[in-house]
Amino acid sequence: DVQLLESGGGLVQPGGSLRLSCAASGFTFTTSAMNWVRQAPGKGLEWVSAVNGGGGSAYYAHSVKGRFTISRDNSKNTLYLQMNSLRAEDTAIYYCGKIDTYRVDYWGQGTLVTVSP
Amino acid sequence: DIQMTQSPSSLSASVGDRVSITCRASQSISRYLNWYQQIPGKAPKLLIYAASSLQSGVPSRFSGSGSGTDFTLTISSLQPEDFATYYCQQSYSTLMYTFGQGTKLEIK
Repeated sequence: DVQLLESGGGLVQPGGSLRLSCAASGFTFTTSAMNWVRQAPGKGLEWVSAVNGGGGSAYYAHSVKGRFTISRDNSKNTLYLQMNSLRAEDTAIYYCGKIDTYRVDYWGQGTLVTVSP
Repeated sequence: DIQMTQSPSSLSASVGDRVSITCRASQSISRYLNWYQQIPGKAPKLLIYAASSLQSGVPSRFSGSGSGTDFTLTISSLQPEDFATYYCQQSYSTLMYTFGQGTKLEIK
């Protein structure tokens, strides 16, 4: 079975940094594009970032470009999101997702990031 | 950037009703359109991909249609477990899969 398990969320002060991880299993990680999607409290889904299977191509939403970095370690079947210069508006549940043929077919359970003094 | 707009933002209906939710893209996206269901406190769940293909395990009361800029998700006969928030997502832009703002389906 496909499993995606996020970790690394928590409380951080504005301007701080955090690194999220997503441990993947049950599928061929090296050939699967992956993404991060977030959901602020009471709000809708917002696409954040994506990376191709090899890790050589990364994409970012305008709201996080220059502050967040997506990466992956295919030897560890793990996806990462390095978040720097965090702002209050980055407070959200962050979900990792597996991409298959133009759709996100599996999602993790999410990890909560709270940016507050 | 491709913008996705859903309507309505919220909808009240009863068990057994037929309901439709629409999604409009700011430019043509062919049939690169997905629909997700999200129950509060849970991760999104893929319902429909490529505008009209039913994801494995999803009940056949869910269906999707459309192409170009206009798309529709239809639930033929609402069940209690269908009351949730629904999102459309375009997958036309390479790996930059943006969402509509969501439609909250509530019990009347």
